[in-house]
Amino acid sequence: DAGVTQSPTHLIKTRGQQVTLRCSPKSGHDTVSWYQQALGQGPQFIFQYYEEEERQRGNFPDRFSGHQFPNYSSELNVNALLLGDSALYLCASSRTNTDTQYFGPGTRLTVL
Amino acid sequence: GIQVEQSPPDLILQEGANSTLRCNFSDSVNNLQWFHQNPWGQLINLFYIPSGTKQNGRLSATTVATERYSLLYISSSQTTDSGVYFCAVERSYNNNDMRFGAGTRLTVKP
Repeated sequence: DAGVTQSPTHLIKTRGQQVTLRCSPKSGHDTVSWYQQALGQGPQFIFQYYEEEERQRGNFPDRFSGHQFPNYSSELNVNALLLGDSALYLCASSRTNTDTQYFGPGTRLTVL
Repeated sequence: GIQVEQSPPDLILQEGANSTLRCNFSDSVNNLQWFHQNPWGQLINLFYIPSGTKQNGRLSATTVATERYSLLYISSSQTTDSGVYFCAVERSYNNNDMRFGAGTRLTVKP
């Protein structure tokens, strides 16, 4: 049973560029959440997708957008990258009406 | 929004020692999870425990929802227990936004 997978593992971009991160949920899961974890801090909720729609959003600007596909996989897009966007981006999946979230290994984004 | 406070922020133990990590939260929750983040960044589920007590090997956890705190116990610690332990909660009226504490960094020395 494959767990949550994310790609790429690492990514280096420059300011102003755009980036797309990908996540495949755990088998049987239909809900995907994205988190940003800055160095030395706990993860912060970006948004959650269910039935291909954004169901809930944290305190992040519109530069952060996402998408969920019919197979429940998801993408996180960040436009106009800033140095402060450098972080570990974590994807978590869960099943409808259950609260336990399972996390992927993360994508480490560095913005130069 | 809901506040999640973890203590202590840092903990250094000798192998074989026991420890207690605490998580306080400021509002009612319907979901509380403990995670261990390994040095590579992977968050590992330890417990889903919105209330009550659970045990899994050398680890156990207790959540007293009415008093808004949870405790994670680690017994006979091993060097592989090193890493950061996070508590995360979801509020009762909004179950889509999981809030994390700042974590407890545990170092177990051989």
